[in-house]
Amino acid sequence: DQQVKQNSPSLSVQEGRISILNCDYTNSMFDYFLWYKKYPAEGPTFLISISSIKDKNEDGRFTVFLNKSAKHLSLHIVPSQPGDSAVYFCAARERHTGNQFYFGTGTSLTVIP
Amino acid sequence: DAGVIQSPRHEVTEMGQEVTLRCKPISGHDYLFWYRQTMMRGLELLIYFNNNVPIDDSGMPEDRFSAKMPNASFSTLKIQPSEPRDSAVYFCASSYRQGFSADTQYFGPGTRLTVL
Repeated sequence: DQQVKQNSPSLSVQEGRISILNCDYTNSMFDYFLWYKKYPAEGPTFLISISSIKDKNEDGRFTVFLNKSAKHLSLHIVPSQPGDSAVYFCAARERHTGNQFYFGTGTSLTVIP
Repeated sequence: DAGVIQSPRHEVTEMGQEVTLRCKPISGHDYLFWYRQTMMRGLELLIYFNNNVPIDDSGMPEDRFSAKMPNASFSTLKIQPSEPRDSAVYFCASSYRQGFSADTQYFGPGTRLTVL
């Protein structure tokens, strides 16, 4: 059973606009969340993370928001650039019980020039 | 550092054949993970090792799959016999855990396996 879900398989956004990628999780014990970015023919690369003690983490154009009560997190990219076109994976971990990350199925983002 | 190295990058084989995927983790990393990526399930963890010891193999689909880590710089994932439904991209990742602090997994480029 998927503990981390990304319900939107794809998203298209115009260059310069905001991209919002969503992720839901079911395990309330998850306390660390990450976003990975994947280009074709490459492995996923770490993008940004957030601990459950925070509700927002920002790194340049990328901001991750965490809503623990809703078990929901989102990744905002502002402004979106064509080079942001990739598949984005959400991942979560229960830090104190193991080192296993649970990944979502990914969202393919296309930024249209 | 060269990052996580996987070989081969592409493998095409016939049903029933044995397939061996290889991984060299980043030097100094003490965790190694094997994942399988499919459209339906995204990135699934198959097995992971800590200090060369398998910790959790509950994600291994069935007995046809096996993984070894004979030393800190090498791991293999073997499928025998292979079946068409094993066709997927297989990723290896490594990480270094510092106590309970947050850590990041570094992924290799993946092996695209096609079983005909």
